[in-house]
This record gives sequence, C-alpha cells and structure tokens, in this order.
Amino acid sequence: EPEVTQTPSHQVTQMGQEVILRCVPISNHLYFYWYRQILGQKVEFLVSFYNNEISEKSEIFDDQFSVERPDGSNFTLKIRSTKLEDSAMYFCASSLLGRGSGQPQHFGDGTRLSIL
Amino acid sequence: RKEVEQDPGPFNVPEGATVAFNCTYSNSASQSFFWYRQDCRKEPKLLMSVYSSGNEDGRFTAQLNRASQYISLLIRDSKLSDSATYLCVVNMDLDSNYQLIWGAGTKLIIKP
Repeated sequence: EPEVTQTPSHQVTQMGQEVILRCVPISNHLYFYWYRQILGQKVEFLVSFYNNEISEKSEIFDDQFSVERPDGSNFTLKIRSTKLEDSAMYFCASSLLGRGSGQPQHFGDGTRLSIL
Repeated sequence: RKEVEQDPGPFNVPEGATVAFNCTYSNSASQSFFWYRQDCRKEPKLLMSVYSSGNEDGRFTAQLNRASQYISLLIRDSKLSDSATYLCVVNMDLDSNYQLIWGAGTKLIIKP
C-alpha cells in the first residue's frame, strides 16, 4: 500500500536555528498538509497546499513557517527561527482530493522536532 | 464551545467487551467525518470514514446523527491491540473554508 514518508524521524535543533522537515506524499495525491502535535495534546492543522500554492493555513502558521514543493515528489516545511515551543511531532499528510470532498488524509510517521 | 469534543477517558475495558465512544461537533454545516486511531507517539491512522447511513467494518461500527450532531464508534469483541487513542475528525465549513477539525481523542485501554 502506498504511504507518506517523512524524514528525518527525529530532529534536534538549537533554538533560533532553521529547520527543514521533508515529506514525500503518496504519488497520485494532489493535496498536501502539515500538522503538528505537541506531546499530550491534540493534532493541530498548520497548512494545506494544492497546485503549488498554499490553499489554507491556520493561525499557528505564521511568518516563521513556509512550505515548498521543490520538485515533483517532495513537500517541505521550513521553520525559520525555531523557538522552544516549536518542539512537537510534525505530521505530513496527503489526499487525492481536497478537504471539501470527504476524502480522508493519509499520514506519514511524523518527525519529532526537539528544540534545545 | 469546543468545535469537536470527545470524552478523554481513559476507558478501561476487559478484553472481549464492547465499547462505544461518542464525539460531538458544533457546526451543523459539517460535511464529512472520520475516526482515526493513534498509538502512543505514532501517526494517526484512518480507521474508518463515517457515512450518513452508518457503516460497519468488521468489529467496528460508526454512526452519524446529524440532528444531534454527534458521531459514534462501537468496537465489539475488543482485542488487546485495540488499545489506542481514538480521534474524531470532522470536516467543517468554517468561514467558507473546509477545515479538518480534530478532537482531542479518547484513550482506550483493553485489559486481559
């Protein structure tokens, strides 16, 4: 079964440094998402991406965040100047159709980001 | 009012028992509904979509009640491997944008 893959599985970074989280969505999917989950808390939507542009973003997704699809397979989340509170599990997801379609999203294993 | 609300549990249930969770949602314009399960420190995995007519997948049954704005998940003949957190996810129309809103999850512990 095709799956979403994320790298690295764990990233440790000094506060203030930039970090890039990578994702390879399922190949025929058209919509891509980033979520985060702070330990012990609920999954929170960050951003959705379609047709090479952001389609929706949450209040969490401020100017320190950016997303990119640099080629036909990768989808990246960049955090420019990391803060302690950015420590969380970051999940990438993809779906064939958009969120209004009722299509479920398929998640990667996540990247655990630890900010020191 | 929370947009998607779940009883956090934990539900401690003996193996073989039947257990049911409810999830309430605030927006009547919600369009689609899902149950995901999440094991500790792992990614959410789709368990099942929830259809208006209700749907069943093996030991799992999902129901939708639009009038009362809740969805339910029933697990029959529970197994030890069913221990996980069950997340209710609702596709809501918020400010003319559909957004997936996640509940905080209900923790289920199946005991031998």
